[in-house]
Amino acid sequence: NAGVMQNPRHLVRRRGQEARLRCSPMKGHSHVYWYRQLPEEGLKFMVYLQKENIIDESGMPKERFSAEFPKEGPSILRIQQVVRGDSAAYFCASSPRTAGSNQPQHFGDGTRLSIL
Amino acid sequence: DAKTTQPNSMESNEEEPVHLPCNHSTISGTDYIHWYRQLPSQGPEYVIHGLTSNVNNRMASLAIAEDRKSSTLILHRATLRDAAVYYCILRDGNTDKLIFGTGTRLQVFP
Repeated sequence: NAGVMQNPRHLVRRRGQEARLRCSPMKGHSHVYWYRQLPEEGLKFMVYLQKENIIDESGMPKERFSAEFPKEGPSILRIQQVVRGDSAAYFCASSPRTAGSNQPQHFGDGTRLSIL
Repeated sequence: DAKTTQPNSMESNEEEPVHLPCNHSTISGTDYIHWYRQLPSQGPEYVIHGLTSNVNNRMASLAIAEDRKSSTLILHRATLRDAAVYYCILRDGNTDKLIFGTGTRLQVFP
């Protein structure tokens, strides 16, 4: 059973470039969540998506950040015009159906984004 | 979002039991108590969850106080692989996101 797959594991970008982070959920999972973790901090929720729909983007910065989960293919977190403060680990999680209190989320091992 | 309070760090020796406490005095009746852990350089891993009754699984046990204002994650025999940051999280039925605090960093010594 393949778990949640994220790629790349490490990504280096210069200020002003674009960063694209990919997440393939576990087989059979149609709900995807993105979290960001700054050094020495806990994870912070960014966005929750189902196939072709954004359900909750309350944690997503209003500018430069976008996320999608198309009908086919992985979920993509896109950061435009990156700045040094975007350096962080970005984690994706998936769950099999509407996540209520009983549904654990399964996490990938993250993408570590470094901005030069 | 209901808040949880955990000690910043704890230590244990290998093969000893570990009791990781969590206070959640503002918990509501619909909040479930979830525990995740994060090993170095990895994503969080689900450990266990419960509502009112104590829970056991292959990884750990969860003891929930009768008033539900606190809970304890119990690792029955710590191994070096259990060294991680442990997060206690409250989730209600109306939200899908996990609200992580700073967790408890558990060190395990051989």
